Order: sequence, then structure tokens, then C-alpha cells
Amino acid sequence: QQQVKQSPQSLIVQKGGISIINCAYENTAFDYFPWYQQFPGKGPALLIAIRPDVSEKKEGRFTISFNKSAKQFSLHIMDSQPGDSATYFCAASTPSGNTPLVFGKGTRLSVIA
Amino acid sequence: GAVVSQHPSRVICKSGTSVKIECRSLDFQATTMFWYRQFPKKSLMLMATSNEGSKATYEQGVEKDKFLINHASLTLSTLTVTSAHPEDSSFYICSARDLPGQGNEKLFFGSGTQLSVL
Repeated sequence: QQQVKQSPQSLIVQKGGISIINCAYENTAFDYFPWYQQFPGKGPALLIAIRPDVSEKKEGRFTISFNKSAKQFSLHIMDSQPGDSATYFCAASTPSGNTPLVFGKGTRLSVIA
Repeated sequence: GAVVSQHPSRVICKSGTSVKIECRSLDFQATTMFWYRQFPKKSLMLMATSNEGSKATYEQGVEKDKFLINHASLTLSTLTVTSAHPEDSSFYICSARDLPGQGNEKLFFGSGTQLSVL
């Protein structure tokens, strides 16, 4: 059972454009929703995260939009740059000190000049 | 920010040998560490949860005798792939949580280990 569904699987965006990646979840007990960026041969790095008490969080060019009623959240990358080309994973977890993250399947983003 | 050091970054071994991968939290104490496996162009698959001083909890389908996990201190967890076979070739990633009970907001990942079994 896939608890976090991520789309699209791959994405090509022109430099300067907006990259949008979507995730949906089923478990209403999830209360933490991070996005990770992973470059080839490297471990994932936390990009930005949100909790359900807010509908949007912005950090620089990265914004998370959260829709609790629809059980969906998305990552927006504004002014996308070639250096943003990477694989992005959404994730979710329940409130617990030892609960592992549940990851989406990932989105391979390519930003072309 | 907190750093998790994973070593080695790449290892090539012969079939039948054992390989140990280390995961260290450099500037914090990690009571919980997670080990993941990642196939090319795929997501991270949780293998086991490692708690300091106790036995690791393995996910369904992960052989505990094949993938030995030791979390002997608050800064070090090791994953040993025993009697490695080519199908064990994969990218292995550890993650460590800073501050017990703080959830995943203080979760940091290592840089991964690419294991190739010949």
C-alpha cells in the first residue's frame, strides 16, 4: 500500500519557469510533510517542510502548499534553475518519536536552459 | 546544521564476502537511526529502525541475518551486509534523528554508500 502518492514521475521545466510537484496521502494521522532533494549518488537533503496547521510555507524560491481537506500537498519551485535539476521526494510521518518517514516515489526534475 | 557521516561512499566486493557500512552522527546524539535501500531511479525503501542499545526492528521482507545492524553508541550505527551477492548491489542510506522524541524535524541523512557486488 502506497501511503504517499507523488506525481509526476518526471518533469522538464524551462529555466526561469515554475516547477510543480504534487503529493497525496491517505493517513489522516500524518502531521509532518517534508520535501527532500536528492542529487545522483548523494543522500536526500531536507528542502522544506510543513505541518497541517498552515496552508502554505515559503522559503526562498521553494513553497509548499498544503490542502488538509483534500489530503494533498505540493512543492513549487519558482524561477527554476538548472542547478535545481535533481530528484525530489515528498514524505510524511505521524506524531511519534520513532516513526520513520514514508516517502513518495520521487520526481526527476530537469531544468533546461 | 547537524551532520551525518556515512562511510564508505562506495565499495566493491566479491560475492560471498561481508561489507560493513558505518553511519555516524557528528555533532549530536542519535538515539534512533534508520537504514534505507535505494535502487536506481527508485524511492527509498526502509530496511530497519535502529535504536541505541537495543535490537533493530526490521521491515517485512528484510532478512535480519543478512543485514546485521548494530547501534552500540549514540553516535554510531553499522550495517553489515553478510555473504553479499550481486542482488545486494544497491545504494544504502542511513539517517539519524537529533533529539529523542522530536519526530522527523530533526532527521538528517548520510551521503549514502554505493555497494557493488561482483
